[in-house]
Formats: sequence, C-alpha cells, structure tokens
Amino acid sequence: AQSVAQPEDQVNVAEGNPLTVKCTYSVSGNPYLFWYVQYPNRGLQFLLKYITGDNLVKGSYGFEAEFNKSQTSFHLKKPSALVSDSALYFCAVLGTDSWGKLQFGAGTQVVVTP
Amino acid sequence: NAGVTQTPKFQVLKTGQSMTLQCAQDMNHNSMYWYRQDPGMGLRLIYYSASEGTTDKGEVPNGYNVSRLNKREFSLRLESAAPSQTSVYFCASSRQGPTYNEQFFGPGTRLTVL
Repeated sequence: AQSVAQPEDQVNVAEGNPLTVKCTYSVSGNPYLFWYVQYPNRGLQFLLKYITGDNLVKGSYGFEAEFNKSQTSFHLKKPSALVSDSALYFCAVLGTDSWGKLQFGAGTQVVVTP
Repeated sequence: NAGVTQTPKFQVLKTGQSMTLQCAQDMNHNSMYWYRQDPGMGLRLIYYSASEGTTDKGEVPNGYNVSRLNKREFSLRLESAAPSQTSVYFCASSRQGPTYNEQFFGPGTRLTVL
C-alpha cells in the first residue's frame, strides 16, 4: 500500500521569506512523486513531479522540490514566498505497481503575509 | 482549449435522489478519473478509466457508478444520494503513455446532500 503524509496542516510565512512544505511517503518500489496547488474554489494545478534522475526538481511559479530517498521525503520549496502563493498544497505519490492511482496527502494550507 | 470541464458547479440533493455529474476534456487524453475531496482527507479516487471502454474502481467506489461515454466524456452517477456523499467532486484526465503523466483537473462540483 502507498501513503503520503503532510505533517503540517498550515504553514505561515512572511512575504520574501523561504517557504517549505513537507511531505513524506511510503510506497513499494520506486516512487513517482507530485506536487499540486489548489487556489480557493478551483481545481488542482500541477506544479512539478519527480520520476527519476536529479533529486532536485524545478517546477512552475519558482517552486522546486527535493527528493530524498533515504528519508522518503519530497519537500516543496520556494526561496522567496509571495502573497499570491497562499493556497492549499497537495503532495501525491504513485507506486510503480499502482497504475494512475495517485495517493494524495491531506494537504497543507500555506498563508503568506505581507 | 478549455481543458477539463465539469457540470454542474453546484448541486443540492435530498437523500435518495439521483444525479449525474458530467465531465469532458478536449486534450485528447486517454485516461480520466473521478475524485472526491473532503476536508482533512485530501483527494480520494472514486473511479478511473484508463482508456475508452474501460473503467475500474478506485479507493471509494461504493454508492457511485461511472460511464466512459467516449474518449472525451466521463460521467459519475449517484443512484441514491446519501449525506455522506456531500463533498467536492473533481474530474481529471491524463495523456496516454507512462502512468506517471500528470493529471489535469476540472474546476469541481460542490455537492450537498440533505
């Protein structure tokens, strides 16, 4: 079985400061890992994914994520947060034997204050 | 190019009523999915369709049925709605190929069952 944990319900950060949203996972075999963002009353938007290769993945809107196999983590980062980054962020994992069936974390609300 | 569209946006049902949620995508994607989103639980997969003509159960299929009408359209039916089905429903699609292709989401349908 595969699972995803996002240990923080909410992350508060001041504009201009670094933003980190944590994610850990459990999956059999090699993981495929994703980050999505959801703005209020909208569907999810894809930010980035890790399939293989370089552990540092760069995505949309200046976000990046670091895959750490030994710690089974895939934390989302942004060097300098914007107020417009305030949204709900979801980590998701796909195991190599789980065709298309993404397992989502519970989500982390990011609040960026001016 | 509208992406993934869903109708209706909002719906209120009484217990025992039936309804069908419609989803269409114009990206020529092979695979389509239905999720429900509940507070603190992330998104959970209800049903998916790997390709036209096939459908399979996801994590929470009870109380739902689906129809892959053609390559573009994937509908979700609630035969006898229950208050536990109050949720926000999202349709998603992904292109053919490796299972780790990112999914594209519709704007959602907010359903309340009284």
